[in-house]
Amino acid sequence: EPEVTQTPSHQVTQMGQEVILRCVPISNHLYFYWYRQILGQKVEFLVSFYNNEISEKSEIFDDQFSVERPDGSNFTLKIRSTKLEDSAMYFCASLDREYTDTQYFGPGTRLTVL
Amino acid sequence: GQQLNQSPQSMFIQEGEDVSMNCTSSSIFNTWLWYKQDPGEGPVLLIALYKAGELTSNGRLTAQFGITRKDSFLNISASIPSDVGIYFCAGQRYGGSQGNLIFGKGTKLSVKP
Repeated sequence: EPEVTQTPSHQVTQMGQEVILRCVPISNHLYFYWYRQILGQKVEFLVSFYNNEISEKSEIFDDQFSVERPDGSNFTLKIRSTKLEDSAMYFCASLDREYTDTQYFGPGTRLTVL
Repeated sequence: GQQLNQSPQSMFIQEGEDVSMNCTSSSIFNTWLWYKQDPGEGPVLLIALYKAGELTSNGRLTAQFGITRKDSFLNISASIPSDVGIYFCAGQRYGGSQGNLIFGKGTKLSVKP
């Protein structure tokens, strides 16, 4: 069964450093999302992406964040200058709107900012 | 922003018991979804509901999309140890939101000591 994959599974970085989180969505999906989950809390929407542009973003997704689909398979989330409060699990999800409205989540990247 | 109220926050189960949890919202959603999350992993979709009043089953799981579009429940019958985990409801809107999900805070299912 096709699945969303994410790399790395765990990233440790120093405050102020840039990180890039990578996702490979399900191949025929058209809509892509990033969510984050701070430890012990609910999953929160960050950004949605369709047709090579951002569709919607939340208040969390400030100027330090950017997303890109650099080729036909990868979908990346960049945090330009990480802060301690960016430590969280980051989940990528993709959606096949043509047949269902169901988002499928990847296993997540645990980001630890020291 | 939109909030989903999910209850209970946590519950303890004994094997064989039935479990029930629900979510309510002040806003209407067009889709309700239920996910399960195991520690250190991403949410895994259990059931998706697309129509108001819809009742859908997936094995021992049953979920309903409320008539008002503002609530949903999930029942687990005859629970087993592997049912332990955190269950999240999520609502999805169409239109300008392009389907981003709004999650409840989760219901943590644990085994009774």
